Amino acid sequence: GQQLNQSPQSMFIQEGEDVSMNCTSSSIFNTWLWYKQDPGEGPVLLIALYKAGELTSNGRLTAQFGITRKDSFLNISASIPSDVGIYFCAVTNTGNQFYFGTGTSLTVIP
Amino acid sequence: DSGVTQTPKHLITATGQRVTLRCSPRSGDLSVYWYQQSLDQGLQFLIQYYNGEERAKGNILERFSAQQFPDLHSELNLSSLELGDSALYFCASSPLVQANYGYTFGSGTRLTVV
Repeated sequence: GQQLNQSPQSMFIQEGEDVSMNCTSSSIFNTWLWYKQDPGEGPVLLIALYKAGELTSNGRLTAQFGITRKDSFLNISASIPSDVGIYFCAVTNTGNQFYFGTGTSLTVIP
Repeated sequence: DSGVTQTPKHLITATGQRVTLRCSPRSGDLSVYWYQQSLDQGLQFLIQYYNGEERAKGNILERFSAQQFPDLHSELNLSSLELGDSALYFCASSPLVQANYGYTFGSGTRLTVV
């Protein structure tokens, strides 16, 4: 299957700090999504990216689709306790099957 | 509440048994997707149905099967269960056959095989 690597694997930060996480692929993909998963729940879509080089914001979240179409980053500014969870990137070329990354676990210390 | 309903929330069963997981998509969504989430494999796509027809297949074992009914709810059948089938099983839905805008996930069914 496709390899989607996310880094870092886990992060422990103080409330109010900014966060940056990365997702890289061995192949080119045309659509990149970022999801957040809370414990005991399904993933929730945060941001969708469709154009290489595109920078998209959703509140305190900002994501960019890499120019090579093989990577993306997600930034969270001024973190708050409810940002705790696992963040996944997901990619597709078909719109049917998405490949999910390995996840970045975020812990926010009040 | 995402609008995607999965039942049961938890299921404990013995090896060799057969179980059925149920999913009702969000109102108006015609596509249903099944994913398996395990600690070592992450989120893995199993299968997609659109308006009752199979549209895409991922790494779904032959022991697993799914279907989508005329009322659009879907069932995932897992048979001859093994310990390694223990995982979270998610259903997701989208309005169209292609979900470039992403899916809406349900809360999952946690399956434990003992």
